[in-house]
Amino acid sequence: QVQLVQSGAEVKKPGASVKVSCKASGDSFTFYYMHWVRQAPGQGLEWMGMINPTGVTPTYAQKFQGRVTVTRDTSTSTVYMGLSSLRSDDTAVYYCATGYCSAGSCYAFDSWGQGTLVTVSS
Amino acid sequence: EIVLTQSPGTLSLSPGERATLSCRASQSVTSNYLAWYQRKPGQAPRLLIYGASSRATGIPDRFSGSGSGTDFTLTISRLEPEDFAVYYCQQYGSSFTFGPGTKVDIK
Repeated sequence: QVQLVQSGAEVKKPGASVKVSCKASGDSFTFYYMHWVRQAPGQGLEWMGMINPTGVTPTYAQKFQGRVTVTRDTSTSTVYMGLSSLRSDDTAVYYCATGYCSAGSCYAFDSWGQGTLVTVSS
Repeated sequence: EIVLTQSPGTLSLSPGERATLSCRASQSVTSNYLAWYQRKPGQAPRLLIYGASSRATGIPDRFSGSGSGTDFTLTISRLEPEDFAVYYCQQYGSSFTFGPGTKVDIK
């Protein structure tokens, strides 16, 4: 399994942007799609988007289109999730997770990062 | 978007008892692409079951999944102390959505 280590907690003001990193270790990282999932306080898990192994093709949940950017640096095995125009309801724990996709189908998320708390407050 | 509903919201049981958790989808889940995750406080979710009934690597055989179409079940045959946690179902056949979770706590 791939080990995923995320960057530390962030505190941001409304309207600002945040960028969370997720560094992977393990040879098989190069074959994985990388997903981002968040969980707001008292809420469920919410898929935000993913990026393919080469880092060329991100896919975003409609809810976050235009505000989220997922990028991947294959040279450092690091994936980034940027979220702009932050609001108080973006306060959540953000997770990266690995999964495979093949022939148009994607599969369950088999490794997760430890989570990064992003707090949006004035 | 496929909406997942989990029941019950909370399940209060004693160690050694059997736990049965339900996950219902608003429409049929493509190829039964349904997973179950366990989440403990302060930890990331852990994959238990994928493809509705296949155990992930290293998952004890007291965990089993069943179901198809719109109705799925996670069964824990005999609860161990470390099994008290929140359990989420996820469908990955049409984008990705999660259920709201079932909390299994100690009676």
